[in-house]
Amino acid sequence: AQSVTQLDSHVSVSEGTPVLLRCNYSSSYSPSLFWYVQHPNKGLQLLLKYTSAATLVKGINGFEAEFKKSETSFHLTKPSAHMSDAAEYFCVVMNTGFQKLVFGTGTRLLVSP
Amino acid sequence: EAGVAQSPRYKIIEKRQSVAFWCNPISGHATLYWYQQILGQGPKLLIQFQNNGVVDDSQLPKDRFSAERLKGVDSTLKIQPAKLEDSAVYLCASSPLATYEQYFGPGTRLTVT
Repeated sequence: AQSVTQLDSHVSVSEGTPVLLRCNYSSSYSPSLFWYVQHPNKGLQLLLKYTSAATLVKGINGFEAEFKKSETSFHLTKPSAHMSDAAEYFCVVMNTGFQKLVFGTGTRLLVSP
Repeated sequence: EAGVAQSPRYKIIEKRQSVAFWCNPISGHATLYWYQQILGQGPKLLIQFQNNGVVDDSQLPKDRFSAERLKGVDSTLKIQPAKLEDSAVYLCASSPLATYEQYFGPGTRLTVT
């Protein structure tokens, strides 16, 4: 079965500094991977997706992620954090066949002024 | 375009009572999903519909949970009787056929006392 592991439950950064949220995946074949963001009291929103095209994927709000097969990783980065980036971020893998999403446990990003 | 609608947004019940949640997906989306998100965890798929048929309900506790999708549009999720461990946010999502992106509603926060 496919799964993802988010390596940090909390990440704290200062506004204007880089963001790195780490995710490792487990899959017996080439996976489809996603990052979703969840702001308080709001629905989950897709940030970006990897579906076996370019390994560097650009998403909304300046986020990007790089698929590294050799490291089985799909880390999320942003060059400069903004206060509005404070939220819960989920790394997700899709099980093929029925579009079933399997979520990681989440990383809470805290941004201080 | 209107998003996925869910109601109620919050519900507090006592254990052994019953409760129902309602979801209205984005117009034209064939696939509808119900997820359970327990505090501190990522969402877990409970059931997936395609039109009005069930595609995957392998993680639905069928002794107490039931779900239906009326005429392939709206859906209701019911719990009867509720247990303390059912306290969670119940998320509804929808997607067009054969696409990766799922669109999530704001969720219903259930507290069982």
